[in-house]
Amino acid sequence: QKEVEQDPGPLSVPEGAIVSLNCTYSNSAFQYFMWYRQYSRKGPELLMYTYSSGNKEDGRFTAQVDKSSKYISLFIRDSQPSDSATYLCAMSPFTGGGNKLTFGTGTQLKVEL
Amino acid sequence: KAGVTQTPRYLIKTRGQQVTLSCSPISGHRSVSWYQQTPGQGLQFLFEYFSETQRNKGNFPGRFSGRQFSNSRSEMNVSTLELGDSALYLCASSLRTGGAMSSGANVLTFGAGSRLTVL
Repeated sequence: QKEVEQDPGPLSVPEGAIVSLNCTYSNSAFQYFMWYRQYSRKGPELLMYTYSSGNKEDGRFTAQVDKSSKYISLFIRDSQPSDSATYLCAMSPFTGGGNKLTFGTGTQLKVEL
Repeated sequence: KAGVTQTPRYLIKTRGQQVTLSCSPISGHRSVSWYQQTPGQGLQFLFEYFSETQRNKGNFPGRFSGRQFSNSRSEMNVSTLELGDSALYLCASSLRTGGAMSSGANVLTFGAGSRLTVL
């Protein structure tokens, strides 16, 4: 079983919809949680990172962490065609062990006009 | 500010050959990490270098190796290539390694990757 599980999709939604992307994890040592967006033929780019349980908002994006359930989510409001990409969750203990991230396999999102 | 630069962007090799990939981090960044991305396994951590020292290593065979130079530029090498080594190899840099992330200094910035095809 993988340490981080993520539904691969693909997920197709109409423009303007609210999108919910989710990951579950099994390693309780994970303290930092990130969401990356990856467009085709590009490297991942960081969208948001958070440490504590609860919500963190940035524009149309909200990251939610529930450490007790080992469950994280990314919500996208008013989704746009430009949001069409693969979304990757990533997490790390970020202790003295360095910057190693453990990624989910990614969810492919398509926002249609 | 220039981003993370990886070369070459695309390359084709045959089984048994070896390959060297290069990564130039963002200016001032001292940590460089390498990841392998495949459709089935997603992104998997290869190794991380900080100040020319390997800080961490993933679960890959010894055919995969890397190094970092005094200017923080990094290379990774794969010897005796196998078909399963076909993947997108991603390099990421950050200001520092380890510790708390609250300052953002550990945030990884990725390059566009080197796509390796092994025939």
